[in-house]
Amino acid sequence: NAGVTQTPKFQVLKTGQSMTLQCAQDMNHNSMYWYRQDPGMGLRLIYYSASEGTTDKGEVPNGYNVSRLNKREFSLRLESAAPSQTSVYFCASRSTGSGNTIYFGEGSWLTVV
Amino acid sequence: AQSVTQLDSHVSVSEGTPVLLRCNYSSSYSPSLFWYVQHPNKGLQLLLKYTSAATLVKGINGFEAEFKKSETSFHLTKPSAHMSDAAEYFCVVSGDSGTYKYIFGTGTRLKVLA
Repeated sequence: NAGVTQTPKFQVLKTGQSMTLQCAQDMNHNSMYWYRQDPGMGLRLIYYSASEGTTDKGEVPNGYNVSRLNKREFSLRLESAAPSQTSVYFCASRSTGSGNTIYFGEGSWLTVV
Repeated sequence: AQSVTQLDSHVSVSEGTPVLLRCNYSSSYSPSLFWYVQHPNKGLQLLLKYTSAATLVKGINGFEAEFKKSETSFHLTKPSAHMSDAAEYFCVVSGDSGTYKYIFGTGTRLKVLA
């Protein structure tokens, strides 16, 4: 009963380094999301994928790229990390049933120094 | 356009007393509304959701919320707080019909005093 699984949970990067956050869901959902959470700002959408092979920018896409590898997996890449990208990142997927509930992973804590 | 406002950034209650976390929303149509809870270093867990059925929605762990269209509110309540309820709570409204957007409130941190 895994739901949405994210890796890694914690990561420290140096400015300019690159890394990829991995996300997989086992609920057969079409839609997947990447959010970032910063103190006092709630969650802000980075990228969205409505289905395999499609991605769309959210509120704060600059500095990020995504790949919807298949229906299960949606990865987020930081090509050249900056201190402003220090944040907690959440992957989510959305059900297609009543209310279109979104389900979240446990989060990835990223620090860029 | 949709928006959501959580009226209190911090709420403190004593264990065993009622909890009230306030949320107002703005929507051009009948939205879906959600409350999520986030414990420290954890993801967001769904507490309850409103999807135009009953206006009083019951969730997990004894929480409930009432949708009041006339007041554009969706306040979260619990009759008796438990220490394990200490967490951050987010009110969320779905975006316009047919879109993928969810609008998150900025969160209310609930502190439960022994």
